[in-house]
Amino acid sequence: QKEVEQNSGPLSVPEGAIASLNCTYSDRGSQSFFWYRQYSGKSPELIMFIYSNGDKEDGRFTAQLNKASQYVSLLIRDSQPSDSATYLCAVNMGYSGGYQKVTFGTGTKLQVIP
Amino acid sequence: GAGVSQSPSNKVTEKGKDVELRCDPISGHTALYWYRQSLGQGLEFLIYFQGNSAPDKSGLPSDRFSAERTGGSVSTLTIQRTQQEDSAVYLCASSLSALTKNEQYFGPGTRLTVT
Repeated sequence: QKEVEQNSGPLSVPEGAIASLNCTYSDRGSQSFFWYRQYSGKSPELIMFIYSNGDKEDGRFTAQLNKASQYVSLLIRDSQPSDSATYLCAVNMGYSGGYQKVTFGTGTKLQVIP
Repeated sequence: GAGVSQSPSNKVTEKGKDVELRCDPISGHTALYWYRQSLGQGLEFLIYFQGNSAPDKSGLPSDRFSAERTGGSVSTLTIQRTQQEDSAVYLCASSLSALTKNEQYFGPGTRLTVT
């Protein structure tokens, strides 16, 4: 079983719609969760992080965390073509080897259709 | 403020040659990570530094790969006797601390092509 799982997509949504990106993780003890955006040919950019159950909103982005069900999601409201990218979910998988190791999912490719 | 910087941005080398990739983390960040990303693939963890020591080298694919960090700042990833399968983008990231929330910030990467 993969430690952090994401649907590879592509997820296609029309411009102005809500894009919903999902991620599940295996380590029930995980405490910190991150979303990165990676444009083609560029490096990952940290766009959201969430540490507590519930929702965290930042502009058009909302991160949702449900530790009991071991999933974290990212909602993008009023999707724009510029949001087209691969979104990586990353999870602090707990204290191992002397530090909190972050494990990345393989990413979901989002396409926003004008 | 300045982000993570990496050099060179692109490196083309012949099979069998050694290469050195450099990473300059965000000032004050004690943790530094190297990842590798092949075309269309996910991130592959290579090595983690806390200060100048490397508690986790578990991702280094072979003994041809080594890394060091000096002064708790700049890190160099060295690949000896490069092979074509080493071709990838090598990404460096840093965080304030790997002992708590561990928010990692990435550099622009070095694209390595082995011919």
